[in-house]
Amino acid sequence: EDKVVQSPLSLVVHEGDTVTLNCSYEVTNFRSLLWYKQEKKAPTFLFMLTSSGIEKKSGRLSSILDKKELFSILNITATQTGDSAVYLCAVEFPGNQFYFGTGTSLTVIP
Amino acid sequence: EAGVAQSPRYKIIEKRQSVAFWCNPISGHATLYWYQQILGQGPKLLIQFQNNGVVDDSQLPKDRFSAERLKGVDSTLKIQPAKLEDSAVYLCASRVAGAGGNEQFFGPGTRLTVL
Repeated sequence: EDKVVQSPLSLVVHEGDTVTLNCSYEVTNFRSLLWYKQEKKAPTFLFMLTSSGIEKKSGRLSSILDKKELFSILNITATQTGDSAVYLCAVEFPGNQFYFGTGTSLTVIP
Repeated sequence: EAGVAQSPRYKIIEKRQSVAFWCNPISGHATLYWYQQILGQGPKLLIQFQNNGVVDDSQLPKDRFSAERLKGVDSTLKIQPAKLEDSAVYLCASRVAGAGGNEQFFGPGTRLTVL
């Protein structure tokens, strides 16, 4: 069965630290990979990655996809307390279905 | 642009009761998804509609869950009868139809507690 695996499950860092969140997937086919941030509400979109090796960047957040090795990473530099959230990775399959990982819970302490 | 609307936001019921959730997607979005998110887990796809047709309902517990999107716009998800393990947040999402490359937009969710 195809699945999406995220690591670590949880992470506690201090403000200013840099974090790397991992998402690996086992799929028989693949269309895109998406990252979401979820605070105490619905997930909000961060990045969509379709091409291997091309970094997407937004402020202190960046993400890259490796289609050959079947993984993606999400980097957050100079973390702030507002970055505390669950970060979800989702893989889109050809039928437009999305399958999510369990998420990484990030806590940034002052 | 108005977002995905869901109601109610919260619902508390006793086991074996019935409950229904409503979702209104973003205007023009042909694809609609219902997800179940149990505390501490990622969203799990329950059912996917393309207009008023079902694309994928392989993970929908059909003995108790049902969903419809009769006119290809609003959708309802029903649980009858509810079990304790159905306690979760039910998320509705929509996206523009067609080839990949378009993100899905989530509604605020309905938090269901089954006692």
